[in-house]
Amino acid sequence: KQEVTQIPAALSVPEGENLVLNCSFTDSAIYNLQWFRQDPGKGLTSLLLIQSSQREQTSGRLNASLDKSSGRSTLYIAASQPGDSATYLCAVNSGGYQKVTFGIGTKLQVIP
Amino acid sequence: DVKVTQSSRYLVKRTGEKVFLECVQDMDHENMFWYRQDPGLGLRLIYFSYDVKMKEKGDIPEGYSVSREKKERFSLILESASTNQTSMYLCASSLPRGLVLFFGSGTQLSVL
Repeated sequence: KQEVTQIPAALSVPEGENLVLNCSFTDSAIYNLQWFRQDPGKGLTSLLLIQSSQREQTSGRLNASLDKSSGRSTLYIAASQPGDSATYLCAVNSGGYQKVTFGIGTKLQVIP
Repeated sequence: DVKVTQSSRYLVKRTGEKVFLECVQDMDHENMFWYRQDPGLGLRLIYFSYDVKMKEKGDIPEGYSVSREKKERFSLILESASTNQTSMYLCASSLPRGLVLFFGSGTQLSVL
């Protein structure tokens, strides 16, 4: 059974810092991995999707990497801003739509 | 942009009531999903549907049923609400092969 872990559970950084969020998974046989952002009391917004054949994806200040063999993905946020404060979740697709496993998330606070 | 709309942001119901949660998507997606999200447990799949009138149980279907009479609409039904069904409910949709998941804003359900 796929298990997804996100460390740390919470992170507080000053504005302007570059930061890395971590996601690890136990079964390396995955189709893709997706990073989401969730604001308090809201739904999830997709940030980046990495296919199993890819090593990284970039969107603006965000860069996600994938190392299937070691079961790890990182989300790099450059020049953090207070508006980046949210919970970030990773989701691993291990075999079709019904086998998406979510991490519990990392709660990020960017202090002005 | 894909829009997934959940009919209620907040809902308060009494134990034993029949509860309907509605979800509508406007991008002609085949796949639709219902998740619940609880602190410390993350997102867990209740039911999903890959076509009209088709449904499959997820990880925690007990106490729930679903209906998909039209492609754009997926309803979650709590036949007899109980206090342990107090949770954030999230609807999502995707194209076949379950690539990018698009989520609604969520319904925070409280059962008293």
